[in-house]
Amino acid sequence: AQKVTQAQTEISVVEKEDVTLDCVYETRDTTYYLFWYKQPPSGELVFLIRRNSFDEQNEISGRYSWNFQKSTSSFNFTITASQVVDSAVYFCALRDNFGNEKLTFGTGTRLTIIP
Amino acid sequence: NAGVTQTPKFRVLKTGQSMTLLCAQDMNHEYMYWYRQDPGMGLRLIHYSVGEGTTAKGEVPDGYNVSRLKKQNFLLGLESAAPSQTSVYFCASSYPLRGQETQYFGPGTRLLVL
Repeated sequence: AQKVTQAQTEISVVEKEDVTLDCVYETRDTTYYLFWYKQPPSGELVFLIRRNSFDEQNEISGRYSWNFQKSTSSFNFTITASQVVDSAVYFCALRDNFGNEKLTFGTGTRLTIIP
Repeated sequence: NAGVTQTPKFRVLKTGQSMTLLCAQDMNHEYMYWYRQDPGMGLRLIHYSVGEGTTAKGEVPDGYNVSRLKKQNFLLGLESAAPSQTSVYFCASSYPLRGQETQYFGPGTRLLVL
């Protein structure tokens, strides 16, 4: 069975600080996909990134970066120089390679950026 | 492109009433999904469809039915609403090709069952 764990329920940091959101996953599949979504206070789910299991290269997009490590089954998300607009709930999700391509979500991390 | 849209945005029902949530997508996606989001539980899959005329159960299907008569639409029905179905419902769609696995979500429907 697949499982995604986001152990940090809530995080608060002062604006301009860096913050890392942790994501640990479990799967028996050798091919899988990992995702991060952002849910701002307005409620919609915004896609941030997709990573394939066979591509362990880390990725940077502006102030966002992702560290994928298969050895520790982790896919952590770092925001550099945080801003108030980064305040949201962030979800990590896992998709296997078979059948319905269902996403298994973690329970989310609520990030609050204090001005 | 509007992407994924959901109707209605908010609804209040009394226990035992029925309703249908509509999801529409204009991205020509084959796969469509219905999730529910409850506090502290992330999103859980209710039903999904891998193509027009097909539906299948997800993780929490009890109390819901779905239909996919047209490729662009995916309907979620509650025949007899219960307070336990108070939740935020999200529809999503995706295209089943390698490199296009991302699911794109609608804005959500907030449902309150009294």
